[in-house]
Amino acid sequence: DSGVTQTPKHLITATGQRVTLRCSPRSGDLSVYWYQQSLDQGLQFLIQYYNGEERAKGNILERFSAQQFPDLHSELNLSSLELGDSALYFCASSVRDRGHGADTQYFGPGTRLTVL
Amino acid sequence: QQQVKQSPQSLIVQKGGISIINCAYENTAFDYFPWYQQFPGKGPALLIAIRPDVSEKKEGRFTISFNKSAKQFSLHIMDSQPGDSATYFCAAIGTAGKSTFGDGTTLTVKP
Repeated sequence: DSGVTQTPKHLITATGQRVTLRCSPRSGDLSVYWYQQSLDQGLQFLIQYYNGEERAKGNILERFSAQQFPDLHSELNLSSLELGDSALYFCASSVRDRGHGADTQYFGPGTRLTVL
Repeated sequence: QQQVKQSPQSLIVQKGGISIINCAYENTAFDYFPWYQQFPGKGPALLIAIRPDVSEKKEGRFTISFNKSAKQFSLHIMDSQPGDSATYFCAAIGTAGKSTFGDGTTLTVKP
């Protein structure tokens, strides 16, 4: 158990809908990262937050947005869902901001999103 | 565009053998190279990582070899065990914080 929690574990929804995925980082970790893992795309970095501020952006679609709250939990919002958005969404956390040196990212168990 | 290319896609090794997974990167701004191990239904877990100023790092049966001039790094798993059967991802992390992952290698260790 990495200490990172993600809810829900599974989510089934329809095209065009909007969903919110939630992540609670390990106690003491200030950075949260979101990743998408699909069969044909591998593991894709979406976005990173550090202590409430956006720090790095990857291949995140405009239909997706994220935020990190004062209690450090983070939410990933996915809107206007398409079939191709079906994937595993992982959250990871680490102690430091990337700019201050590399440190270990601890991954949560993931949320499996199925868009029908 | 893919900046980290990982090979092979799948690998079958006999118990006790050496598993070797290779990655090549293109962006010289990367400054941290971790390897992750992922079991089915679980999130990736950090296995071992290296900085580009080091040519080799060993932790138990796992070794990373790093060739900065060739922009290549590899994971060696010595004395491979059935419990090592998993998907392995290499990654390259840039100073700006972006992480780029390889496509993964599915390792099967036969008893």
